[in-house]
Amino acid sequence: DQQVKQNSPSLSVQEGRISILNCDYTNSMFDYFLWYKKYPAEGPTFLISISSIKDKNEDGRFTVFLNKSAKHLSLHIVPSQPGDSAVYFCAAKGGSQGNLIFGKGTKLSVKP
Amino acid sequence: ETGVTQSPTHLIKTRGQQVTLRCSSQSGHNTVSWYQQALGQGPQFIFQYYREEENGRGNFPPRFSGLQFPNYSSELNVNALELDDSALYLCASRHKAGGAEAFFGQGTRLTVV
Repeated sequence: DQQVKQNSPSLSVQEGRISILNCDYTNSMFDYFLWYKKYPAEGPTFLISISSIKDKNEDGRFTVFLNKSAKHLSLHIVPSQPGDSAVYFCAAKGGSQGNLIFGKGTKLSVKP
Repeated sequence: ETGVTQSPTHLIKTRGQQVTLRCSSQSGHNTVSWYQQALGQGPQFIFQYYREEENGRGNFPPRFSGLQFPNYSSELNVNALELDDSALYLCASRHKAGGAEAFFGQGTRLTVV
């Protein structure tokens, strides 16, 4: 039973446009959500996070939105750049020990 | 500030063998977690260590075990390797008193033949 779901395996966007990556979760007890970016042959790189008590967090070109009633979060990248092409993982902090529960990832391709 | 480093980067083992993977935590981080990432999947939590004690475990059998040392470096040991153990193994560190953000190493690609 997947607690964190990324239903789009891939997304293709034109350079300069907005990329929107989506994530759904089932457990209302999650208190933190995170996005990671992963290039081939590298480990995941932390991108941005949001506490469950907020609905938006922004860092440069990256903004994460949280809709608790819908159990949905999204990552917006504006403007998208070719270097953003990578696999993006959504993760939730679950349990008292702080371990992360990941979705399966969305592969973003930004075309010049 | 040094990042999380893992060794080796690649490894090939035979079914039934044992393997040890190593991780050096980021400076100042006292909590280390291990994750398994199978092809096409997201990382799956194996276990976590804090102050040299295991304090959290995912749905993995006891043949997956670990250690954390006083300098916060860590090992993941897998006994009686199975073909399905072939995956990318990721180590992540964070400070327990810090935020939820965990910082990952580059991973060890284990292939079991």
